[in-house]
Amino acid sequence: QKEVEQDPGPLSVPEGAIVSLNCTYSNSAFQYFMWYRQYSRKGPELLMYTYSSGNKEDGRFTAQVDKSSKYISLFIRDSQPSDSATYLCAMSTSSGAGSYQLTFGKGTKLSVIP
Amino acid sequence: DADVTQTPRNRITKTGKRIMLECSQTKGHDRMYWYRQDPGLGLRLIYYSFDVKDINKGEISDGYSVSRQAQAKFSLSLESAIPNQTALYFCATRSGGDTQYFGPGTRLTVL
Repeated sequence: QKEVEQDPGPLSVPEGAIVSLNCTYSNSAFQYFMWYRQYSRKGPELLMYTYSSGNKEDGRFTAQVDKSSKYISLFIRDSQPSDSATYLCAMSTSSGAGSYQLTFGKGTKLSVIP
Repeated sequence: DADVTQTPRNRITKTGKRIMLECSQTKGHDRMYWYRQDPGLGLRLIYYSFDVKDINKGEISDGYSVSRQAQAKFSLSLESAIPNQTALYFCATRSGGDTQYFGPGTRLTVL
């Protein structure tokens, strides 16, 4: 079993839809959770960062962490064609100077159709 | 100017050739990373470095070597390229926090 599982999609939704992207993980030592967005032919860029269980909101984006279920989600409200990208979840077991490695999901490719 | 730059952006080479991919950063970060990205396999860590004197193997270091020439420069070498090293390669940097900043990537094709 991979440490981080993410459905690769592709996922295609109409403009304005609510998008739900998910990852599950098996390592209970993961404490820090991130979502990266990667446009075609670009490097990944950090979209959301969370530590504790619960929700974190930033504009149209909401990151949700359920440590008891080892499940994280990214919700995109009022999706736009500019949201079309690959979304990667990432996790680490520690933070700050002591940590060194992120474990990534395989990424979900999202297309938002006008 | 971009904070993390990679050269070349695209490279086609033949089996057995030596290849060097270069990464430079202007963010002043100590930590630098090399990843490869393959369809269906996601991002996998090849090597990472905490400073000029510190080099560490990642998940898939076999067939690769690195050099940290300065705080701002981190190079990845393929001593004898093989076709299954065809992939998209990313350099990333990180400060003391958790955010990694990725370069634009190098698309390498080994024929």
